Amino acid sequence: EIVLTQSPATLSLSPGERATLSCRASQSVSSYLAWYQQKPGQAPRLLIYDASNRATGIPARFSGSGSGTDFTLTISSLEPEDFAVYYCQQRSNWPQTFGPGTKVDIK
Amino acid sequence: EVQLVQSGAEVKKPGESLKISCKGSGYSFTSYWIGWVRQMPGKGLEWMGIIYPGDSDTRYSPSFQGQVTISADKSISTAYLQWSSLKASDTAMYYCVRHRDQLLDYFDYWGQGTLVTVSS
Repeated sequence: EIVLTQSPATLSLSPGERATLSCRASQSVSSYLAWYQQKPGQAPRLLIYDASNRATGIPARFSGSGSGTDFTLTISSLEPEDFAVYYCQQRSNWPQTFGPGTKVDIK
Repeated sequence: EVQLVQSGAEVKKPGESLKISCKGSGYSFTSYWIGWVRQMPGKGLEWMGIIYPGDSDTRYSPSFQGQVTISADKSISTAYLQWSSLKASDTAMYYCVRHRDQLLDYFDYWGQGTLVTVSS
């Protein structure tokens, strides 16, 4: 099973700042990595798939990069609604797995 | 509009059985894999297993094999997750998810979640 590690566990930032979240895989997942956002009391929603493609309706301030074992989600300028937990997920190997999440909270 | 609508919250005692549901609408239910994801209180996401309603092909994550049963009734566009004997450690939010296209894939639509509480 591929293990995904996310860092940092918590990121404290102010609105308007840039957020950089990391996801590292225990072995190569090629580009088969997604990012999800989960707000309190809500189901997660797909933000980025195949490492760098924005899902339908996702604002351009969200971008993803990376391949192999190291991936990054960048939020260029945080909006108030972006404070949430972010999970990465791989679909390269069975079973698909999630990382433990990074919480982005207001500084 | 694609929707996955799950059954309501449940409170059960250890040892009881339970079946929760997920009804799909707005798309061809038989053409997409439906999966289940567990989120224990205050914790992250765990993918449990998957079913293809078109032919009922079902697969499980090794961590959940033998612990739960996934099924579907394509005549009413509904997938199910069931337990034969609940444990306190089954207390969690359970989400049904639609896979975008393939067996190994991302989840483009999510149900609203069903909270299962198991307590004596």
